[in-house]
Amino acid sequence: EVQLLESGGGLVQPGGSLRLSCAASGFTFSTYAMSWVRQAPGTGLEWVSGISSSGDSTYNADSVKGRFTISRDNSKNTLYLQMNSLRVEDTAIYYCAKDIRGARFGEFPIDYWGQGTLVTVSS
Amino acid sequence: DIVMTQSPATLSVSPGERATLSCRASQTIRSNLAWYQQKPGQAPRLLIYGASTRATGIPARFSGSGSGTEFTLTISSLQSEDFAVYYCQQYNNWPPKYTFGQGTKLEIK
Repeated sequence: EVQLLESGGGLVQPGGSLRLSCAASGFTFSTYAMSWVRQAPGTGLEWVSGISSSGDSTYNADSVKGRFTISRDNSKNTLYLQMNSLRVEDTAIYYCAKDIRGARFGEFPIDYWGQGTLVTVSS
Repeated sequence: DIVMTQSPATLSVSPGERATLSCRASQTIRSNLAWYQQKPGQAPRLLIYGASTRATGIPARFSGSGSGTEFTLTISSLQSEDFAVYYCQQYNNWPPKYTFGQGTKLEIK
C-alpha cells in the first residue's frame, strides 16, 4: 500500500523558514517523480514544485521560485521541501504527491497524495 | 502559461441523475488532462487521466472525454458519496508544471 506521510509544518513568522519532509513507503520511491502541491484555506490546488526520480531535475512554480527548494534522498525514501523567506500567502496545507508513472517530472499526473501538513505564516 | 477554466463553479444535481462537469484549457493540451475528486478534510483522489482513462478502483459511472482544449467529466448516476469538489489538471507544459482548474463543487439538489 502506497503511503506518503508529511511532517514539518507549523506556525512561522513572515520571513522565516521551514523544511517539510515526506516519508514514502509501499512503492519503489527511487523510480518515481514526485511533487509538492498546496491548498490555501478554502481555496483550490496549486502545484508548488516537482522533481525527477533521480533528483537531478527540479521545477518550481513562479510563486515560489528562488524561495523554495525541492529535494529527495532516495536512500531514505524521503522527499523534502525547504521553504525560505516565507510570506503570509504561503499559508496552506502542503501535500506530498507521487506521479502515476515515469521518472521524469511532469509527463504524467499524480496518483497518490499524502494527507498534508499545515503551514501557517503569521506574525 | 496554460490556464484551466472549469464550469460551472457549483453544480446542483439530485442523486441518481447525471452530472456533467466541464474544463477548458487556454491552449491545446492534447489528452494530457486528469480529473480529481476532493472531499472535505481529505486529499484529492485521482479519477481520470489521459482525458478518458479511469484510475485504478474508480467506478465505471465516472467517465472522461475530450482532447485539445475542451474536456468533460461525466458521472452517470450520482451516488451520495460523489458529492464533492472536482478539479481538472493539465500536464502538457514545457518546462514541466501542473496547472489545476479552480474546481467545481458538486452539491446535492
